[in-house]
Amino acid sequence: KQEVTQIPAALSVPEGENLVLNCSFTDSAIYNLQWFRQDPGKGLTSLLLIQSSQREQTSGRLNASLDKSSGRSTLYIAASQPGDSATYLCAANTDKLIFGTGTRLQVFP
Amino acid sequence: GAVVSQHPSWVICKSGTSVKIECRSLDFQATTMFWYRQFPKQSLMLMATSNEGSKATYEQGVEKDKFLINHASLTLSTLTVTSAHPEDSSFYICSARILGINEQFFGPGTRLTVL
Repeated sequence: KQEVTQIPAALSVPEGENLVLNCSFTDSAIYNLQWFRQDPGKGLTSLLLIQSSQREQTSGRLNASLDKSSGRSTLYIAASQPGDSATYLCAANTDKLIFGTGTRLQVFP
Repeated sequence: GAVVSQHPSWVICKSGTSVKIECRSLDFQATTMFWYRQFPKQSLMLMATSNEGSKATYEQGVEKDKFLINHASLTLSTLTVTSAHPEDSSFYICSARILGINEQFFGPGTRLTVL
C-alpha cells in the first residue's frame, strides 16, 4: 500500500530564503508525482508534475526533483516571498493519487 | 483547458438531510472521476473512483450507501451524502481524468457543514 509522507510538517522562514520541501513514498511503481499548493479554505493548484521517466521539472522559482529508486521527491522554492505562504502537498500516482501529509509554509516579510 | 467545476461551492444543511454535489469537466471528456474528502488540517483522502457508465469503486472504510456516486455522462459526476450528520462536515473535492492520460484535474471543492 502506497504511503506518502512530507517533511517538515510546518516551516516558517523570512522572505528571500531558498527552501526545500521533502516528499517520500513507499511504492516506487508510480506513473508520476505531482506537487500542489493549497491556500486556506481553497482547492488545489497544481504546481509541477514529474513523469516517472523524468528527474526534474521547473516552473519559475519552483524546481521539483524525483528519485524513484529511493522513493523521494523534493520541491525547491527559490527566493521565497510572502505570497508563497500556503500548504504544499505532494501526491504519488499509482493509478490512484495518494497524497502526502502536507507542509504548511509561512514566509514572513 | 482541463477545467473542472464543482457546485455548490459551499452548503449548510440540517442533520438528516441529503446533499448532492456536482462535479463537471467543462472542456474535456472525463472517463474517470475521483472524489476526495479533506478534514481540517489534514490531507486529501480518496473516497471513491467512478468510471462513466459503471458503478463506483469505494475505498476501504467509505460507506457506499451513505456516499452515493453517479457518473452518468463523460462530463458529470455527482456525490450525494445521504442522511448527513455533523461528522460528515468536510471539504469534498473531485477530480477528473482523461482516458490514457495519467493526470487528474481538480475541482475547486465544496465545503459541507452539517448542523
